[in-house]
Amino acid sequence: EPEVTQTPSHQVTQMGQEVILRCVPISNHLYFYWYRQILGQKVEFLVSFYNNEISEKSEIFDDQFSVERPDGSNFTLKIRSTKLEDSAMYFCASSVDRTGAEAFFGQGTRLTVV
Amino acid sequence: SQKIEQNSEALNIQEGKTATLTCNYTNYSPAYLQWYRQDPGRGPVFLLLIRENEKEKRKERLKVTFDTTLKQSLFHITASQPADSATYLCALLSNTGNQFYFGTGTSLTVIP
Repeated sequence: EPEVTQTPSHQVTQMGQEVILRCVPISNHLYFYWYRQILGQKVEFLVSFYNNEISEKSEIFDDQFSVERPDGSNFTLKIRSTKLEDSAMYFCASSVDRTGAEAFFGQGTRLTVV
Repeated sequence: SQKIEQNSEALNIQEGKTATLTCNYTNYSPAYLQWYRQDPGRGPVFLLLIRENEKEKRKERLKVTFDTTLKQSLFHITASQPADSATYLCALLSNTGNQFYFGTGTSLTVIP
């Protein structure tokens, strides 16, 4: 069964450092998302991406964040200068269609900023 | 802004019984509503989708209802099993169609 894969599963970084979280969406999917979940809190939307551009982003997704689809398979989330409050589980998701289609989530990257 | 509320407390039920989870929303009229399952430390897993013009959707032991007048969805697991123990999330499609708003989730424990 196809799945969304994310790497690394766990990343520890020092405050102020840049991190890149990587995702390989399902191959025939066209819509890509990043969500995050702070421990004990709800899943929060960060950004959606379609046709090589951002479709929508939340207030969380400020200038420190960027996304890229550098090739036909990878989808990355970069945080330029990490803050302690960026510590969370980051989930990549993809869907074949925007309108109501199920989103397939990866297993997540646990980011710990120290 | 939209607000989504799920059963605020954890739900414990006996094996074999039907679990009913609630998702209420305000200030919003989603075209679609989805239910996901999330296990600790894992990503959400899609279970069911229901559209605004559908009253009910079933999949095996799962049933979802969608009442757009009450602004509520109910999620039922019949003949519950210990393996059903997890957190269940409802998610509503935004008006732009570009994101899902997630509820805080309801933790379900099925006791053998």
